[in-house]
Amino acid sequence: SYVLTQPPSVSVAPGKTATITCGGNNIGSKSVHWYQQQPGQAPVVVIYYDNDRPSGIPERFSGSNSGNTATLTISRVEAGDEADYYCHVWDNTGDHPEVFGGGTKLTVL
Amino acid sequence: EVQLEESGGGLVQPGGSLRLSCAASGFTLNSHAMSWVRQAPGKGLEWVSVLTGGGGTTYYADSVKGRFTISGDISTNTLYLQMNSLRAEDTAVYYCAKKTGFTNSSPYYWGQGTLVTVSS
Repeated sequence: SYVLTQPPSVSVAPGKTATITCGGNNIGSKSVHWYQQQPGQAPVVVIYYDNDRPSGIPERFSGSNSGNTATLTISRVEAGDEADYYCHVWDNTGDHPEVFGGGTKLTVL
Repeated sequence: EVQLEESGGGLVQPGGSLRLSCAASGFTLNSHAMSWVRQAPGKGLEWVSVLTGGGGTTYYADSVKGRFTISGDISTNTLYLQMNSLRAEDTAVYYCAKKTGFTNSSPYYWGQGTLVTVSS
């Protein structure tokens, strides 16, 4: 079955740029979604279809996807961005179609 | 407005059964694919099962296949997860999630979750 690999943790100073990667075999051929999960809360999509942003999500959040890596970029990081982030794809090649990355804990220093 | 409200969680002994419910409003249940996704304490998201749009096809994670059954009741607009032969490792918050679009590759909108604890 398809596997998505994320770094367990990323740390960044306020005002700097955070980059969270999601690796998968030829992930560039799939649609990638990114979720933010604050402690004790349900996940919320922050980027969908690689680089679209839902209404209400700041422009500081952006995404890209090519080759074997998808990337979530958070510019001008704020303290409130500290959370867990998960990538997600639908893989139609087998019978385990929903695949989530292991998650990345973003720490704002 | 789309709303998903999970219920049915609680404490159950190993080997026991539990049925989770997800009351959906703001859309018709079989119009979108819906999943159950769980999160063990301090761990990441683990997809459990999906019921595709139209209610035609179900898929399960290997960890629950043969023990869990996903289903939907259009008359009550409710998604279910029947969980049998529960194990300690099934302890988690279980989220009901709805595809935001009509394609399988769409992202999910999530309910608030219900906690299942398997312990003697």
